[in-house]
Amino acid sequence: QVTLKESGPGLLQPSQTLSLTCSFSGFSLNTSGMGVGWIRQPSGKGLEWLAHIWWDDVKRYNPALKSRLTISKDTSSSQVFLKIASVDTAETATYYCARMVGGPWFAYWGQGTLVTVSA
Amino acid sequence: DIQMTQSPASLSASVGETVTITCRASENIYSYLAWYQQKEGKSPQLLVYNAKTLAEGEPSRFSGSGSGTQFSLKINSLQPEDFGSYYCQHHYGTPIFTFGSGTKLEIK
Repeated sequence: QVTLKESGPGLLQPSQTLSLTCSFSGFSLNTSGMGVGWIRQPSGKGLEWLAHIWWDDVKRYNPALKSRLTISKDTSSSQVFLKIASVDTAETATYYCARMVGGPWFAYWGQGTLVTVSA
Repeated sequence: DIQMTQSPASLSASVGETVTITCRASENIYSYLAWYQQKEGKSPQLLVYNAKTLAEGEPSRFSGSGSGTQFSLKINSLQPEDFGSYYCQHHYGTPIFTFGSGTKLEIK
């Protein structure tokens, strides 16, 4: 059974760095064709793809945010990490991680973690 | 960047009806399009990928079609559990994977 679960700080201040962790089970990021991505959604609004990482450590970033994003993985602990530097209040959102297999579509999603950026 | 224009923004329909949601890409994305359903307070769920391939476990009343720049998601015989929001997403081979703005499907 594939599961993913996001964790984060809940609340942080503007200009701080947001650190998110996606802990997953039921698959391995050592497996060819496997990947994990991050997507966020402000309350009542649409979805925004942020970044993803493949089994071979290929990484892709949303160009609009690329300078502030860092994605990484730890296959031994079945975790994927995302850091967003210098966050702004407009980045208050639910952050999701999701699995990709065989192609860049998101077949399994975590429950999401709400991150509030506020002074 | 490829832009995805989704329509309508909202839609009201009754159980048993058939509805169609459309998504237009700003340039040719071949068949690299996915559709997701999101119910209120829940995570999105993959319905279709590669424009017309139904995701595992999804009911056959959902069907995707189109290629190039014009795509559609058709839902036959609407069921109560089908109400929610729907998003398209291109998965063409560029770094960015844009989602459409969403369609909210409500009960009439």
